[in-house]
Amino acid sequence: DAGVTQSPTHLIKTRGQQVTLRCSPKSGHDTVSWYQQALGQGPQFIFQYYEEEERQRGNFPDRFSGHQFPNYSSELNVNALLLGDSALYLCASSPRDSPYEQYFGPGTRLTVT
Amino acid sequence: QKEVEQDPGPLSVPEGAIVSLNCTYSNSAFQYFMWYRQYSRKGPELLMYTYSSGNKEDGRFTAQVDKSSKYISLFIRDSQPSDSATYLCAMRGATGANSKLTFGKGITLSVRP
Repeated sequence: DAGVTQSPTHLIKTRGQQVTLRCSPKSGHDTVSWYQQALGQGPQFIFQYYEEEERQRGNFPDRFSGHQFPNYSSELNVNALLLGDSALYLCASSPRDSPYEQYFGPGTRLTVT
Repeated sequence: QKEVEQDPGPLSVPEGAIVSLNCTYSNSAFQYFMWYRQYSRKGPELLMYTYSSGNKEDGRFTAQVDKSSKYISLFIRDSQPSDSATYLCAMRGATGANSKLTFGKGITLSVRP
């Protein structure tokens, strides 16, 4: 059973550019959450998607947006990249019958120069 | 004050030692408590998941939750070098804004052979 998968693994972008990160949830999971983890810090919640809609959002600016597709996969988009956006971006999925258990993917490491 | 505080590290112990990892929190709405293990440059892996107060044991790992003191712990018995990783506590409430997963900063554990 494949777990949560994310692509790409690493990404280098320049300030001001836009980036799209992708996530495929674990089989049987329909809820996807995105987190930003800066070096030496715990993950910070960005937003959560369920039934193709953003259900909840953390304290992140509108430059961060997302989408969920009918097959439950998801994208995270970040516009107008800043140096401070450099971090590990984690996707987590959870099943409908146990929404409090989240399983994380390996993350995408974004470097903004 | 941060919602979730985790004991600062790093922590280094000899193989076979009992390890105690602790977190405190301030939000009384938190009801679900989790411990994640994260190896370097990987996504967090769910170790233990507890609802409300009490103890839960899984092999060499025991999670304790004391809601009256807003204090949670993870004990690792007979620690092994393979336990060397960063350990993150995480918690959430049941509904609304409190239902997002809030993490501690993490503590890095090193188990010496």
